[in-house]
Amino acid sequence: NSKVIQTPRYLVKGQGQKAKMRCIPEKGHPVVFWYQQNKNNEFKFLINFQNQEVLQQIDMTEKRFSAECPSNSPCSLEIQSSEAGDSALYLCASSPHWGGAETLYFGSGTRLTVL
Amino acid sequence: GDQVEQSPSALSLHEGTGSALRCNFTTTMRAVQWFRKNSRGSLINLFYLASGTKENGRLKSAFDSKERYSTLHIRDAQLEDSGTYFCAAPTSGGNYKPTFGKGTSLVVHP
Repeated sequence: NSKVIQTPRYLVKGQGQKAKMRCIPEKGHPVVFWYQQNKNNEFKFLINFQNQEVLQQIDMTEKRFSAECPSNSPCSLEIQSSEAGDSALYLCASSPHWGGAETLYFGSGTRLTVL
Repeated sequence: GDQVEQSPSALSLHEGTGSALRCNFTTTMRAVQWFRKNSRGSLINLFYLASGTKENGRLKSAFDSKERYSTLHIRDAQLEDSGTYFCAAPTSGGNYKPTFGKGTSLVVHP
């Protein structure tokens, strides 16, 4: 169904450590989204890109995360200093177009546990 | 408040029966997308609708932007239909950030 590849599948970090996860969008998809899904199945939008440019991000992402989508390299999302509350499933999705009229294709996610 | 209200939160079906899942929107949405999260944790695309209805096998979805709701009907439920179903809809205006419902956990019993 989806060809979005996320690595690693599982990530365990201590508080204060950096946590980095990667995403390869579907070929030809210029738009990438990152979401955080908590244990209650609630999705929180984190950031999105069109090609290499950040389009939108929430305050938390701007202050505590480092994210990029370089050309010809995987996209990445890195928490600079992990906190217990960051434990969650991080989902990357790509889309063929920008504008709200296209389907999202999700990867399998990176499950982060912060001890 | 939540822009996407999904119901029911949990659903139990016997094989061969059917039911409907629903998402209500607090504002006008341009489209809706339905997903199923399978046992491996992957989000599988089921439908994308900008209007009307779509059908795929035993699944059928409808979206009414004006009335602010979407439904997903499952008929002749099978064991492999078990999983958590989510709807998502893009927010209005120029900010395209799909908002998700909290999911319906479906268990199909033999």
